[in-house]
Amino acid sequence: EPEVTQTPSHQVTQMGQEVILRCVPISNHLYFYWYRQILGQKVEFLVSFYNNEISEKSEIFDDQFSVERPDGSNFTLKIRSTKLEDSAMYFCASSVGQSSLYEQYFGPGTRLTVT
Amino acid sequence: AQTVTQSQPEMSVQEAETVTLSCTYDTSESDYYLFWYKQPPSRQMILVIRQEAYKQQNATENRFSVNFQKAAKSFSLKISDSQLGDAAMYFCAYRSVEGSGNTPLVFGKGTRLSVIA
Repeated sequence: EPEVTQTPSHQVTQMGQEVILRCVPISNHLYFYWYRQILGQKVEFLVSFYNNEISEKSEIFDDQFSVERPDGSNFTLKIRSTKLEDSAMYFCASSVGQSSLYEQYFGPGTRLTVT
Repeated sequence: AQTVTQSQPEMSVQEAETVTLSCTYDTSESDYYLFWYKQPPSRQMILVIRQEAYKQQNATENRFSVNFQKAAKSFSLKISDSQLGDAAMYFCAYRSVEGSGNTPLVFGKGTRLSVIA
């Protein structure tokens, strides 16, 4: 069964450094999402993406964050200058359609640790 | 804004027994979807069950069923005949049907379920 994959599984970076988290959505999916979960807190929505554009973003998704689909398979989340509070598990998800009927399939996550 | 609350951080159940995980939510919308996701250790979240708010009938998927109480804004998950493979973090989630359609999931904090052999 097709799966969403994410790399790396764990990323350690120093405060102020740029990080890029990578996701490969399921191949026929058109809608992509990033969520994050700070340890002990809720999974929170960051951004949704369709047709090479951001569809919706949360208050968390400020100018330090960007998303890109650089080729036909990857979907990336870039954090320009990491802060300690960016330490979290980041989940990528994809769905075949935009309606709430369509399931969002999640990747295993990337644990980002900012020191 | 919608919120989802899971009041049980941890639960445990004996193998073959039944367990119920609680979820409440807050919304002013009349139509929406509710979900339960399961996240096994070091694995991705997978959808367990989905409920459309306009349907009165509670959703069931094999050993998994929900008790959807729209007026009370309650959406509990019942796992019958619990198996060792059911041990995981369970997330309750809400999704609006309004707006652009490409709406995000709103999650609760999760309930960690342990299954005792």
